[in-house]
Amino acid sequence: AQTVTQSQPEMSVQEAETVTLSCTYDTSESDYYLFWYKQPPSRQMILVIRQEAYKQQNATENRFSVNFQKAAKSFSLKISDSQLGDAAMYFCARGGAGSYQLTFGKGTKLSVIP
Amino acid sequence: NAGVTQTPKFRILKIGQSMTLQCTQDMNHNYMYWYRQDPGMGLKLIYYSVGAGITDKGEVPNGYNVSRSTTEDFPLRLELAAPSQTSVYFCASSYSADTQYFGPGTRLTVL
Repeated sequence: AQTVTQSQPEMSVQEAETVTLSCTYDTSESDYYLFWYKQPPSRQMILVIRQEAYKQQNATENRFSVNFQKAAKSFSLKISDSQLGDAAMYFCARGGAGSYQLTFGKGTKLSVIP
Repeated sequence: NAGVTQTPKFRILKIGQSMTLQCTQDMNHNYMYWYRQDPGMGLKLIYYSVGAGITDKGEVPNGYNVSRSTTEDFPLRLELAAPSQTSVYFCASSYSADTQYFGPGTRLTVL
C-alpha cells in the first residue's frame, strides 16, 4: 500500500515564530500531486497548499511554503510568522495524476503559544 | 457559491438502522468523493464518482452504497448501521483528479 507518513503527532510554536511540519510519502508514480490540508476544531478541511510533482519550484502561499524533495519523497510545510489562527490539525496528502484517491497521513496537531 | 454542502451535521443511529448522508456541490465538478475520518486518523476513501451515472469503490466501501444521478448530488447510503461506522464523513469534489474541496462533514454515531 502506498502510504503517507507524518512523524510528528504534535508540535507547538510560539506566536510569530516559524515551524516546520514533516511529511514523507511512498509512490511508484512519476506524476502526482501533494497537498497540505488544515483542519481546525470546526472539522472543515481547508486546502493550505498544493504541489505538482513535475514542478521543481517549491509552492508558496503567503506565510505557508513547502520544501519538496522528490528524490527523498519528502514534502514538509513551513509556517512563518505563526498566528493563533494557525492552531489546527494539519494533514499531508498525496494524489496521483491518474488516481482519484487522496492518501492522507495521520496528521500533526499544531498548537500556537501566545 | 456555497461550495460543497452536507446534511445533516450530526446524527445518532441505532444498530441496524439505515440512513442517507446528503452531499451537494455547486461548482460543476465532475468528480465527487466520500471519505470517512476515524479518531486520530487521516481520511479514507469510501466511494467516488467521475460523473453522473458512474461510481466506483474506494479503500473502505463495505457497508455503504452510493448513486450519482446528477452532477450536483452524491448521496451516501448506510444500510444496517454498525458501531464500526461511527465516524466523521466528508464529501468532496474536484474539477479533475487534482485538488479536492471538502464539505463541512457529518458526525455519525451508531449506538
